[in-house]
Amino acid sequence: AQRVTQPEKLLSVFKGAPVELKCNYSYSGSPELFWYVQYSRQRLQLLLRHISRESIKGFTADLNKGETSFHLKKPFAQEEDSAMYYCALTGANNLFFGTGTRLTVIP
Amino acid sequence: DSGVTQTPKHLITATGQRVTLRCSPRSGDLSVYWYQQSLDQGLQFLIQYYNGEERAKGNILERFSAQQFPDLHSELNLSSLELGDSALYFCASSVLAPYNEQFFGPGTRLTVL
Repeated sequence: AQRVTQPEKLLSVFKGAPVELKCNYSYSGSPELFWYVQYSRQRLQLLLRHISRESIKGFTADLNKGETSFHLKKPFAQEEDSAMYYCALTGANNLFFGTGTRLTVIP
Repeated sequence: DSGVTQTPKHLITATGQRVTLRCSPRSGDLSVYWYQQSLDQGLQFLIQYYNGEERAKGNILERFSAQQFPDLHSELNLSSLELGDSALYFCASSVLAPYNEQFFGPGTRLTVL
């Protein structure tokens, strides 16, 4: 079955600490993977996509096809990173979002 | 506002009723997507339209239907409403296919009493 799993519903880290939000996927083809973020009182928006191999707001994510993972990482968390993060997978006209991880960065 | 717009912002109705949610995509975007966000299940993809035609279907109930009009706006119709349909309904749009970045609307909060 095709799915995206974000095992942590809630994640708290201290400011300045490294953060890793986990995402595992199950898909039979070649998926495109994304991270979307929703800050408080804002719309859901794209954070980054694996095909771009870019770093946005200090976040990076590497697609590991062997482990079928696309974990989101940042070496030093900031308070403004507190938000809801969704991992998403698109295949041929199929869209799957994980259930999301709420990240809280403690000052 | 050139972004995705959704109306109404809030909707309160009773069980058994029917409601229509409306979405206007970003200018130039041909694809429209509908999602349901509830506390327990996160973001669930419902359905996608591309240039007026249904392109992909997710976990959409038979009581729900959608369409995309020639001007590219879309409506999501929810009928025979149940308490469990209470949720935030998001619309998103993108230029073409799902692998393009999706731009989300602010959502419509539906409360079924």
